Amino acid sequence: TQLLEQSPQFLSIQEGENLTVYCNSSSVFSSLQWYRQEPGEGPVLLVTVVTGGEVKKLKRLTFQFGDARKDSSLHITAAQPGDTGLYLCAGLHTGRRALTFGSGTRLQVQP
Amino acid sequence: DAGITQSPRHKVTETGTPVTLRCHQTENHRYMYWYRQDPGHGLRLIHYSYGVKDTDKGEVSDGYSVSRSKTEDFLLTLESATSSQTSVYFCAISESLAGGPGTGELFFGEGSRLTVL
Repeated sequence: TQLLEQSPQFLSIQEGENLTVYCNSSSVFSSLQWYRQEPGEGPVLLVTVVTGGEVKKLKRLTFQFGDARKDSSLHITAAQPGDTGLYLCAGLHTGRRALTFGSGTRLQVQP
Repeated sequence: DAGITQSPRHKVTETGTPVTLRCHQTENHRYMYWYRQDPGHGLRLIHYSYGVKDTDKGEVSDGYSVSRSKTEDFLLTLESATSSQTSVYFCAISESLAGGPGTGELFFGEGSRLTVL
């Protein structure tokens, strides 16, 4: 099993704080995606990163793919209550046709 | 929203009974996936399909089988349900693979909550 470990598992912060979520593996990914899931719904794609060292920004969210393509991070600036949800990273290994998901980080932003 | 529906949305059954979950898409996407979601485990891949009658196992395939006789339908069958299969099951579809041509975005259904007593 090719594991994808996310940390932290839970995060409860106040509105306006910054946070970083990490996604790590011992194996190399050809691409990596981040999804957000709200209660009772399926996950929704936030971003896809493909190139080692790549940085993508989506409003207050910044995604980085590690140089060796084994890890990724999600940084949220000035978190809002609307950012509350389960954040999942998912990696695709070369030659595979299905994503491997991390265990998720549950974020709660208190107003 | 992607046209993907799961049925049933909720089911309670007893240990040892067969159960079939259906995933139906109207997008004509090539790839279809069944994942299960349990607390602390994120999403774990059960089986997936890369075309009609083309399927492969995921990381937690024991006790599950699948069939895809048409592009639009992907069925997940629990031959003899066990309490360990109590979970929320998500179907997902994608037109392409992540990092390849296209977005590689997975579109998920709303989930099927299965309880095995």
